[in-house]
Amino acid sequence: NAGVTQTPKFRVLKTGQSMTLLCAQDMNHEYMYWYRQDPGMGLRLIHYSVGEGTTAKGEVPDGYNVSRLKKQNFLLGLESAAPSQTSVYFCASSYPKTGGPSTDTQYFGPGTRLTVL
Amino acid sequence: RKEVEQDPGPFNVPEGATVAFNCTYSNSASQSFFWYRQDCRKEPKLLMSVYSSGNEDGRFTAQLNRASQYISLLIRDSKLSDSATYLCVVRVFGNEKLTFGTGTRLTIIP
Repeated sequence: NAGVTQTPKFRVLKTGQSMTLLCAQDMNHEYMYWYRQDPGMGLRLIHYSVGEGTTAKGEVPDGYNVSRLKKQNFLLGLESAAPSQTSVYFCASSYPKTGGPSTDTQYFGPGTRLTVL
Repeated sequence: RKEVEQDPGPFNVPEGATVAFNCTYSNSASQSFFWYRQDCRKEPKLLMSVYSSGNEDGRFTAQLNRASQYISLLIRDSKLSDSATYLCVVRVFGNEKLTFGTGTRLTIIP
């Protein structure tokens, strides 16, 4: 099993450009998450999904869109990149406990380092 | 006030020593507690869950104090490989999301 993979690993964008980050997991997890990590800020949740075809906003959703068309994939889009979106982006997945909220163990991908000039 | 607060460190500790750090959380409805470990330029990985009665995993001991709303992590006989950032993580009851602290950076010195 590859676990959680992210594409690309690195990217440099100019202000106003768009891009899509891809997250894929092969663990049949229901729940998937996108975080950003900035120095001194910790991990902050951007958007998340509790199942195929569903998405929800996290703590810092502005400027990002997501889609979960397939259970194994979770895409994060930046329509018009801004320097404030320079960050490390992590995707994570987890499996729900039976009859309750998601299991608390989240499995993270290796991250995408994005720089917006 | 941040939901989860940690001393950022750095903690520079000689090999073989014991080190402990705490984390405080602000939401009394917090239900689940964890320590994640993050190596430099890598993804976070679960180190251990924290149970109400306290729990051990080898050299690592985690404790929870609900009355004072803090959790702690104790590392005994520290190894060079323990050098990392330790993230305190909390989940509020009924919430799908985890809240991460900013992390405590630990460096073990030979």
